[in-house]
Amino acid sequence: GQQVMQIPQYQHVQEGEDFTTYCNSSTTLSNIQWYKQRPGGHPVFLIQLVKSGEVKKQKRLTFQFGEAKKNSSLHITATQTTDVGTYFCAGPSGGSNYKLTFGKGTLLTVNP
Amino acid sequence: DADVTQTPRNRITKTGKRIMLECSQTKGHDRMYWYRQDPGLGLQLIYYSFDVKDINKGEISDGYSVSRQAQAKFSLSLESAIPNQTALYFCATSEPGTDQPQHFGDGTRLSIL
Repeated sequence: GQQVMQIPQYQHVQEGEDFTTYCNSSTTLSNIQWYKQRPGGHPVFLIQLVKSGEVKKQKRLTFQFGEAKKNSSLHITATQTTDVGTYFCAGPSGGSNYKLTFGKGTLLTVNP
Repeated sequence: DADVTQTPRNRITKTGKRIMLECSQTKGHDRMYWYRQDPGLGLQLIYYSFDVKDINKGEISDGYSVSRQAQAKFSLSLESAIPNQTALYFCATSEPGTDQPQHFGDGTRLSIL
């Protein structure tokens, strides 16, 4: 079945440093979604990418979708303590039955 | 997401007990999902339902069952709980379509002794 892999599993940074997490799928994706889960919270949808090579920005967050639509990345510029949490990518799977396959996530911790 | 409500929020129970986790939503979404989250393993899909009469097994359905009582309600049951079912459980909803985001409840933390 489809696999969605994320690296790194953990990342600890000093406040103000940049952070990047990478997502790779074993199959071509029609779209990819990114979610953030704060400690003790639930996953919250951040953004969706659909087009090959697409780049979207949300303030200090930059999301990219690869040309082959099999990989994606999330880059945070100048991290803040509010960025702490686990970031998940997810891609649709199951043919015509839509469901999401989530990566295992990257846990970001920020030292103030 | 306050529109997706899970009960209970926390539950401690013993091996062999039957447990039901409930999820209700006011978003009007047809699609509902149950996930299990274990540290370092991400979110694993247990069951999903595309409408009241359409229920499908996910990746890890063994030991679990579900009931879609209405469009707004989707419950997860553990018929005979075992310790390795200790985890955080999330319910989620979405609109139809391959490009629709999922909206998660606050989760149920379940501990089985």
